[in-house]
Amino acid sequence: EADIYQTPRYLVIGTGKKITLECSQTMGHDKMYWYQQDPGMELHLIHYSYGVNSTEKGDLSSESTVSRIRTEHFPLTLESARPSHTSQYLCASSLTMNTEAFFGQGTRLTVV
Amino acid sequence: AQSVTQLGSHVSVSEGALVLLRCNYSSSVPPYLFWYVQYPNQGLQLLLKYTTGATLVKGINGFEAEFKKSETSFHLTKPSAHMSDAAEYFCAVPSGGSQGNLIFGKGTKLSVKP
Repeated sequence: EADIYQTPRYLVIGTGKKITLECSQTMGHDKMYWYQQDPGMELHLIHYSYGVNSTEKGDLSSESTVSRIRTEHFPLTLESARPSHTSQYLCASSLTMNTEAFFGQGTRLTVV
Repeated sequence: AQSVTQLGSHVSVSEGALVLLRCNYSSSVPPYLFWYVQYPNQGLQLLLKYTTGATLVKGINGFEAEFKKSETSFHLTKPSAHMSDAAEYFCAVPSGGSQGNLIFGKGTKLSVKP
């Protein structure tokens, strides 16, 4: 059983609101990732982190931002939500680079 | 750059029938290959992992995958499908780059008919 948790699981929010998606892991992994998942599409990497105080943007451009103040915590923030942000967001962590990742249960975001 | 291609976005089998989900990788032989399963409204769960040197990899829930270098394939099989196998399955390969992430296929949705 993976020890990585995402909250909330589901979120419906109005346009223009600021939101933070939470992700925490208890495995002590340095590497953490945020993926965006849409039906019938590959998972797209939007942010990643090598460790504390390290954050990088992924392949898919995203208006979201992330922070990594503690090893176990990797929240994602949208300053002003738009309908185009409607998607499923998956957080993951791994012990080392380029190896298996462990996923949270995801947050399904709907912006109306 | 590494990539994976999953043939067939939707596969339907009868309960008890063979499950075959196809995945082909590109470029050079990767050090690892993965299959993940995603049940509705859930995250991805690791099903099995290939490491260099292995050819047949056994995973959870009776699934296994065979690595074939000559065909650049890593197909997932299960001899007898169960209703609980209905889910979406993703093949993945390390990007090999500095990001250190995995590159995923588009997924194959498996339906199991009673």
